[in-house]
Amino acid sequence: DAGVTQSPTHLIKTRGQQVTLRCSPKSGHDTVSWYQQALGQGPQFIFQYYEEEERQRGNFPDRFSGHQFPNYSSELNVNALLLGDSALYLCASSSALVLSGANVLTFGAGSRLTVL
Amino acid sequence: AQRVTQPEKLLSVFKGAPVELKCNYSYSGSPELFWYVQYSRQRLQLLLRHISRESIKGFTADLNKGETSFHLKKPFAQEEDSAMYYCALSGFNDYKLSFGAGTTVTVRA
Repeated sequence: DAGVTQSPTHLIKTRGQQVTLRCSPKSGHDTVSWYQQALGQGPQFIFQYYEEEERQRGNFPDRFSGHQFPNYSSELNVNALLLGDSALYLCASSSALVLSGANVLTFGAGSRLTVL
Repeated sequence: AQRVTQPEKLLSVFKGAPVELKCNYSYSGSPELFWYVQYSRQRLQLLLRHISRESIKGFTADLNKGETSFHLKKPFAQEEDSAMYYCALSGFNDYKLSFGAGTTVTVRA
C-alpha cells in the first residue's frame, strides 16, 4: 500500500491563476482532509470530505474548493491565486468506521505550491 | 475558539538526557489531544493520542485539564528522536485538527 498519494509534488503558478491538487487516500480509508502548511507553521485545516460531501470547513475563503469522487479520491482547487497561497498543501486520509478515527490521520507527502 | 501553543520552536538535548516538549491548549470543552511527528524526509505521522494512554517509542504524554497542557516526555532521548513534533487538538464532534507551530528537537551525541 502506497499510503496517501498526492500530485503534483511541486508546482509554480502566477497570481490570478487557478490550481488543482489531487489526492488518493490510503487503502481502506474513506475520508479526506486538506491542510495548508505555511513555512514555519503547523498545518491549518482547510476542509474535510466524506461521502462526496464537504463535512467541515476551516477558515478559508471560497476561492478554496474541493471535491471527493466515488473512489474516495479528492481534489483541492484554488482560484485567483494570491502570493500568500504559497505553501505546502497536505492531504490526509482517515476512516469514519473507526471510533474517533476521523482525527487519526495518515498524511501524504504534500504538494508544494509557489505563487509568483 | 481552540488554540494550541508550543512555546519552544527549537529544543536541543544530549543523548540519554530527558526531553520534554511543552504543549498548552485553549478549548472550552473536553478536547482530544494528539502528538504528531515528522522525521527528516518522512511524512507527518501520528505519535500518540491521549485517549490511548500508550507509551510510543518511549514517549508519554499526560493530559492535564487543570493546566490545559499535554506535554510530551521521554526519560532518555535517542538520536533517532531528532524530528519536528506537533501538538494537535480536536474538539468534541469536531473533524478538524488544530496544530501548534511545532518544536524541532535535536538530540546530540
